[in-house]
Amino acid sequence: RKEVEQDPGPFNVPEGATVAFNCTYSNSASQSFFWYRQDCRKEPKLLMSVYSSGNEDGRFTAQLNRASQYISLLIRDSKLSDSATYLCVVNLLNNAGNMLTFGGGTRLMVKP
Amino acid sequence: SQTIHQWPATLVQPVGSPLSLECTVEGTSNPNLYWYRQAAGRGLQLLFYSVGIGQISSEVPQNLSASRPQDRQFILSSKKLLLSDSGFYLCAWSYGRGNSPLHFGNGTRLTVT
Repeated sequence: RKEVEQDPGPFNVPEGATVAFNCTYSNSASQSFFWYRQDCRKEPKLLMSVYSSGNEDGRFTAQLNRASQYISLLIRDSKLSDSATYLCVVNLLNNAGNMLTFGGGTRLMVKP
Repeated sequence: SQTIHQWPATLVQPVGSPLSLECTVEGTSNPNLYWYRQAAGRGLQLLFYSVGIGQISSEVPQNLSASRPQDRQFILSSKKLLLSDSGFYLCAWSYGRGNSPLHFGNGTRLTVT
């Protein structure tokens, strides 16, 4: 079983739609969680951290379910510019500090 | 503010040639530094990470090596490239304290021919 799993997609949605991605992780000792966005042939960029109580940033909402070991990302009112690959990242702290593990990514394509 | 520089942006090298990719961070001290590789259409694979000068941990045994000669400089090297070394190489930094996200450089797209 992979440490961090995501549905690779693609998710094809029309503009204005609401879309949600889930990500599961295997290590219950994982400490922190993030969502990154990666555009084609570009570096990943931090989209948002995921907090235990859930958090929102504009059209984006992230949630964490520790009991079931998954995190989610909800995008409301999708824009064409939201088309990208969304990477789920899980941080397992060890003696070396941060040890971030990336999921394979979920590809989103927003159509006009 | 912190910035990370990575170069070159693209590189085409023949099989068997050496490799040196460099990454520097500005605006912070004693960062954790990372090298990742992303093969075409694949996820990110952690290659090396460093928590301090001269401290390198390898995640995947291969013909690559890393060095950290200065606090904010991280170098990825190979003596002889293989075709399978082609990919998108990403340098990243994070704060040394826990629960800190990664911040990536622009990446180097390496093609081994």
